[in-house]
Amino acid sequence: SQQGEEDPQALSIQEGENATMNCSYKTSINNLQWYRQNSGRGLVHLILIRSNEREKHSGRLRVTLDTSKKSSSLLITASRAADTASYFCATDGPTNQAGTALIFGKGTTLSVSS
Amino acid sequence: DTGVSQNPRHKITKRGQNVTFRCDPISEHNRLYWYRQTLGQGPEFLTYFQNEAQLEKSRLLSDRFSAERPKGSFSTLEIQRTEQGDSAMYLCASRVGSGYTFGSGTRLTVV
Repeated sequence: SQQGEEDPQALSIQEGENATMNCSYKTSINNLQWYRQNSGRGLVHLILIRSNEREKHSGRLRVTLDTSKKSSSLLITASRAADTASYFCATDGPTNQAGTALIFGKGTTLSVSS
Repeated sequence: DTGVSQNPRHKITKRGQNVTFRCDPISEHNRLYWYRQTLGQGPEFLTYFQNEAQLEKSRLLSDRFSAERPKGSFSTLEIQRTEQGDSAMYLCASRVGSGYTFGSGTRLTVV
């Protein structure tokens, strides 16, 4: 079973525009992580935000976390064609069904055209 | 090079055959996870090892699936009597602290 739901399922933008993806989850968490996956490849860790943090930045990435609403957002600024990929949120928490494993959402497919 | 190595990268097998995948984690990571990912979906947890002990198994892991991690190093995932529904990407990850590192996966196609 999957913990989270990403929104939107698919997003198409032009190079230079910002892309915002949202993630909702169901249970309490220790942290929330965002991953990127290029077609047919493995997952690449982008950023981790802990449950006591509200916002975090890494390069062109900005992540927010609202534990009261059980939601997070990932903002990619000044997008590039190379950002085209699927993006997944994953929760790591004490009450995951899988014990200590990351639980993933279904992902947002981002397409950036030049 | 992600540090977690999975072999083979691709496997095509006939329905009913057995297949085995291997995962070599980052050496200092004592936690190892297997996930399955079908097209258009996020990875789904299958099983988890801490050192050589298998501590968690998802209900997705039917009796046809078995995983081992002898000596707490590499791990193998075996699927017996494969079915078409087993076609998926099988991902392995190792972990230390909060940091997970995923391998590139093994793509299984059952024909």
